[in-house]
Amino acid sequence: QSVLTQPPSASGTPGQRVSISCSGSTSNIGSNIVNWYQQFPGTAPKLLMYGNYKRPSGVPDRISGSKSGTSASLAISGLQSEDEADYYCAAWDDSLNAYVFGTGTKVTVL
Amino acid sequence: QVQLQESGPGLVKPSETLSLTCSVSTASFSNYYWSWIRQSPGKGLEWIGYIYYTGSTKFNPSLRSRVTISLHTSKNQFSLKLNSVTAADTAIYYCARGVDYFDASGYPSPLFDYWGQGTLVTVSS
Repeated sequence: QSVLTQPPSASGTPGQRVSISCSGSTSNIGSNIVNWYQQFPGTAPKLLMYGNYKRPSGVPDRISGSKSGTSASLAISGLQSEDEADYYCAAWDDSLNAYVFGTGTKVTVL
Repeated sequence: QVQLQESGPGLVKPSETLSLTCSVSTASFSNYYWSWIRQSPGKGLEWIGYIYYTGSTKFNPSLRSRVTISLHTSKNQFSLKLNSVTAADTAIYYCARGVDYFDASGYPSPLFDYWGQGTLVTVSS
């Protein structure tokens, strides 16, 4: 079982803002940067956000990340049908000495 | 643009060894972590481990006793061996390239920027 906890699902209508939380502890999110990965059905995960809030080339600026204490969040503004996917937070865990992923959140566009 | 491609048997018998190879399009292995990550059907992601370009390795504590990751730079490949497999090891296995990101304090943390498409390995007799 993952040490990073996310809500199993989130949803919104086109144009709305959706936020996904990622709860961890002092040994992971509290001590290290958070990355986010996006995964469409049947495909490999893709790096969506790194360094807590930095976007790789090609990721629109309506997607943003933040971190406070032992929690992080990913926000998608102006929700579009193409945002329908699974989202995973991830961080290094100093206690486990391992890279840990969140439980994953399925975003649905209603 | 770096491309990674997994290959290996799609079916492994219980108690045997799962062996996969990742072919990498780049000839440069320096300064990167070459990693394996898996995803059980309908489940989340699990980091298996990585090998740094220097040859040093790190593994998920839950799998450490059964995992070997090796680098084959002359072939632009790296590999995974997972022994004594059970049905619980049935998963899509991804290879990925990892790189250090340095925070404001200069402390490094890995991230995975390029992934293979994944290969399903089923453990069954």
